[in-house]
Amino acid sequence: DAKTTQPNSMESNEEEPVHLPCNHSTISGTDYIHWYRQLPSQGPEYVIHGLTSNVNNRMASLAIAEDRKSSTLILHRATLRDAAVYYCILRDEWNRDDKIIFGKGTRLHILP
Amino acid sequence: DAMVIQNPRYQVTQFGKPVTLSCSQTLNHNVMYWYQQKSSQAPKLLFHYYDKDFNNEADTPDNFQSRRPNTSFCFLDIRSPGLGDAAMYLCATSRDPGDSNQPQHFGDGTRLSIL
Repeated sequence: DAKTTQPNSMESNEEEPVHLPCNHSTISGTDYIHWYRQLPSQGPEYVIHGLTSNVNNRMASLAIAEDRKSSTLILHRATLRDAAVYYCILRDEWNRDDKIIFGKGTRLHILP
Repeated sequence: DAMVIQNPRYQVTQFGKPVTLSCSQTLNHNVMYWYQQKSSQAPKLLFHYYDKDFNNEADTPDNFQSRRPNTSFCFLDIRSPGLGDAAMYLCATSRDPGDSNQPQHFGDGTRLSIL
């Protein structure tokens, strides 16, 4: 499976935007980029996903580099509730046995 | 709201005493997954069911078994828990295996302690 690389941890101030980077230099043409996050004492939750174009939803935005070798999850206005581990995951559109393989993720700390 | 429910949230068992964790879903999804998450680590897939078809990960110990009596319920059985099996166990569902456009929906997990 193609792998992703994320910083171990990041800090941000409350009410400011947060940009969480992910590198996936070996991404294939059929890999979707997914983001999940895991709040303390909870299961992971889906945040957003995309293939080539930038994506927006109520939780976040996903900016995908033109060569698709990197992407950035953007939280437009961080709150304390956004403190979590954020996982960037590649999923192959054509692999029927495709599974979510979690990497180590980025632990996001929000400073009040 | 439709969701994935895991009971109990916390489970304590004794070394070597069989234990069963349960998961139910109201999403009517075809696929149910079990993950193990040890402290400060990422979730690790143990196995999954696609309808009644069981799919075991190659490195899942034989000590771990699963049952899915119907669409809504799935159980994780640990036959002889060891100290190394203390972890959070997460259940997840998805509508279709391998459909990378479909997210997985996770429960909040059962934290298993071994005495």
